[in-house]
Amino acid sequence: QSALTQPASVSGSPGQSITITCTGTTSDIGDYNYVSWYQQHPGRAPKLMIYDVSNRPSGVSSRFSGSKSGNTASLIISGLQAEDEADYYCSSYTSASPLDVFGTGTKVTVL
Amino acid sequence: QVQLVESGGGVVQPGRSLRLSCAASGFTFSSYGMHWVRQAPGKGLQWVAFIWSDGSNKYYADSVKGRFTVSRDNSKNTLYLQMNNQRAEDTAVYYCARGLGSYADYWGQGTLVTVSS
Repeated sequence: QSALTQPASVSGSPGQSITITCTGTTSDIGDYNYVSWYQQHPGRAPKLMIYDVSNRPSGVSSRFSGSKSGNTASLIISGLQAEDEADYYCSSYTSASPLDVFGTGTKVTVL
Repeated sequence: QVQLVESGGGVVQPGRSLRLSCAASGFTFSSYGMHWVRQAPGKGLQWVAFIWSDGSNKYYADSVKGRFTVSRDNSKNTLYLQMNNQRAEDTAVYYCARGLGSYADYWGQGTLVTVSS
């Protein structure tokens, strides 16, 4: 199962909004609303930020939101802060595998 | 609070075996499916295996199927990953994570496995 496609890097200034895209196919993102996003700081374990496309777990800042259109899911970070600098991975259910599939990962830099 | 602590990582020669453990606390372990996820050095994340809460069903990535076995002991609140016939490409940090459906809502700190002669 091929990984979902994410941009290698996205950057923004503090206070700005940025969008990270995650592109799949009709075997995953396009046909199912089981998309999640994980944040990973260097040397740390990943953290679940969004699940079921747009739901936030308890304790996750409302500055993080998710959406989906067609075969592409998006993570939007508004009011960018220095602590948001990290790697972000999307993940989706796929009918092509018994396990979900991760995206290639995006490094977010706060300028 | 939810805590997951992996152990058992280390250096192993190609073709040899290693067993990872994940000790869980702070939640009813027997009520949750559990994941193993790995991350090769400088690379992205990969779902490796998933086991249902009662251990009745198990799923594997194609790259480890037939070589890795996930299991659990609900009486000991512990998850395992038996890794046989290891290859260089299995070198990674291995995380255990609690399942929220197919998602992973709590993660351990990870344990490094290095396959090298």
